Amino acid sequence: GAVVSQHPSRVICKSGTSVKIECRSLDFQATTMFWYRQFPKQSLMLMATSNEGSKATYEQGVEKDKFLINHASLTLSTLTVTSAHPEDSSFYICSATAPGGARGYTFGSGTRLTVV
Amino acid sequence: GIQVEQSPPDLILQEGANSTLRCNFSDSVNNLQWFHQNPWGQLINLFYIPSGTKQNGRLSATTVATERYSLLYISSSQTTDSGVYFCAVLRGAGNKLTFGGGTRVLVKP
Repeated sequence: GAVVSQHPSRVICKSGTSVKIECRSLDFQATTMFWYRQFPKQSLMLMATSNEGSKATYEQGVEKDKFLINHASLTLSTLTVTSAHPEDSSFYICSATAPGGARGYTFGSGTRLTVV
Repeated sequence: GIQVEQSPPDLILQEGANSTLRCNFSDSVNNLQWFHQNPWGQLINLFYIPSGTKQNGRLSATTVATERYSLLYISSSQTTDSGVYFCAVLRGAGNKLTFGGGTRVLVKP
């Protein structure tokens, strides 16, 4: 149980365009999901906390207008990278925890974004 | 915020060898998890271990919460054990995981 699906796994886009990444909890409802960014050979950095039915909470230094988060249902959160630039190229990963959180956090398979 | 430090940063093993990875954290925690990130980026949950000892096959983990550290043991390592091992902690009433810097493991055949 506690499976998190993330799509797409890989995307290449042109500078100035927007890209949407989806994160779904397949077998549980997640009122809260998390979005991380990971640069090559570095650890995961939390970008924002996605809350179902309300605004996301962004970490310090993360531009909320560039990284739009929508959590419209209990099983889906989306991250949209708007007006993407090459410096936005990175590995983006979402996570969620099943109700009760007793078994910890489960992560999606990640999305490798390349902006050219 | 809480600091999470992992050691060693890099580890090269010969297949069949045993190893110990360490995770130190600067304050008391409610949750500690060990993850393995495979070469494709997928994070696999290895252990949820805020305290005590757990074993799963060739892997085991021990968390000594009072001394603020956790250890991950890999026995009889295999090439498929290669990747990056992260520990992550959850502190207080919040729900945000804080990750350590990771240990990059390479198991050579």
